Amino acid sequence: QVQLVQSGAEVKKPGASVKVSCKASGYTFTSYDINWVRQATGQGLEWMGWMNPNSGNTGYAQKFQGRVTMTRNTSISTAYMELSSLRSEDTAVYYCARGRVINHWGQGTLVTVSS
Amino acid sequence: DIQMTQSPSSLSASVGDRVTITCRASQGISNYLAWFQQKPGKAPKSLIYAASSLQSGVPSKFSGSGSGTDFTLTISSLQPEDFATYYCQQYNSYPWTFGQGTKVEIK
Repeated sequence: QVQLVQSGAEVKKPGASVKVSCKASGYTFTSYDINWVRQATGQGLEWMGWMNPNSGNTGYAQKFQGRVTMTRNTSISTAYMELSSLRSEDTAVYYCARGRVINHWGQGTLVTVSS
Repeated sequence: DIQMTQSPSSLSASVGDRVTITCRASQGISNYLAWFQQKPGKAPKSLIYAASSLQSGVPSKFSGSGSGTDFTLTISSLQPEDFATYYCQQYNSYPWTFGQGTKVEIK
């Protein structure tokens, strides 16, 4: 069965960077885009960007341009999302989600930004 | 960016009720619309894509309709496990955008 397993919770200081991983199994990793979506506590879903694991091509929401980088390691079927220059407003649960038409989600990774 | 507006923001309903949630796009998106269900502390679950197609394993009590700018999600007979927050999302053009969510609560 399709699974997306994300890395564990992180606590970071303002100005630091965080890198979240998303390990895929149960399907051919390079066949589906990976999206990243975040959710602050008590808030709605916010799309951050996408990556094509086959080509490595990416597209980012304007809000995150210059701060987010999405990469992958096809040999281990893992996608990564790195967010830099963290601020308190970046405290959220970060999800990876499979497909241009999203049909599977990771379990989420809580990133807390606090001094 | 395409704005997605859901209504209502919340609703109270009883087990067995028929519930309808509306999602409106700020510009036409054809049928490139998905619906998700999220329970507290859990990842979203994909319900519907292409406005009206059920994802694999989703029960037929969920249905979607619409095209262009106006869409609906209907739950035919609300069950205890259906109390959750529902989001619509457009994938017609980047950036993908979500509605603000509709919380379905027990009356």
